[in-house]
Amino acid sequence: QSVLTQPPSVSGAPGQRVTISCAGSSSNIGAGYDVHWYRQLPGTAPKLLIYGNTNRPSGVPDRFSGSKSGTSASLAITGLQAEDEAEYYCQSYDRSLRSFFGGGTKLTVL
Amino acid sequence: EVQLVESGGGLVQPGGSLRLSCAASGFTFRNYWMEWVRQVPGKGLVWVSRINGEGTTTTYADSVKGRFTISRDNARDTVYLQMNTLRADDTAVYYCARELDGMDVWGEGATVTVSS
Repeated sequence: QSVLTQPPSVSGAPGQRVTISCAGSSSNIGAGYDVHWYRQLPGTAPKLLIYGNTNRPSGVPDRFSGSKSGTSASLAITGLQAEDEAEYYCQSYDRSLRSFFGGGTKLTVL
Repeated sequence: EVQLVESGGGLVQPGGSLRLSCAASGFTFRNYWMEWVRQVPGKGLVWVSRINGEGTTTTYADSVKGRFTISRDNARDTVYLQMNTLRADDTAVYYCARELDGMDVWGEGATVTVSS
């Protein structure tokens, strides 16, 4: 069982908005540690999507946004497109500077 | 081009050892923390270990602590993962990644299979 909890799957129709939650605790997200988000397509390495809770690396469309509140974080994707279908992971840290990933969320575009 | 290339994966018997290497290029290697992350095919990402730019600070997941050792050679722009006392549940694709604010550069991964 992952330290960070994500829903196993979410889905949405093209053009819609979906959110993926990442629930942590006072030992990680709630302790003030940053949350990062990654997207992974089958057979490929993960790609950084959101860093530092809310920031997009260069080249990531503004359809992707991140937020953090208390012991949880969320990734929002607006204007859903077929190519957004992928696995999404959140990541944070604990006081020992260990990293943790969420269990992953499979996004299906209907 | 910023790049990470893993090598050293393969088939090893339970209880055996393997050393993974990750060669970096296109950036000032010593300025970055480096990470190892693994993934069983079809399963999620699992963080394994981290090392700071000077190689003086290391951190490990509980599942590998005492068995795996991360190190780096800044003269060779390479980070290593020495894996000892390997178990079947260490079977995975092992990725190295560059850490700045999040893991912003990833290698393609090296496959480690622990089986008799």
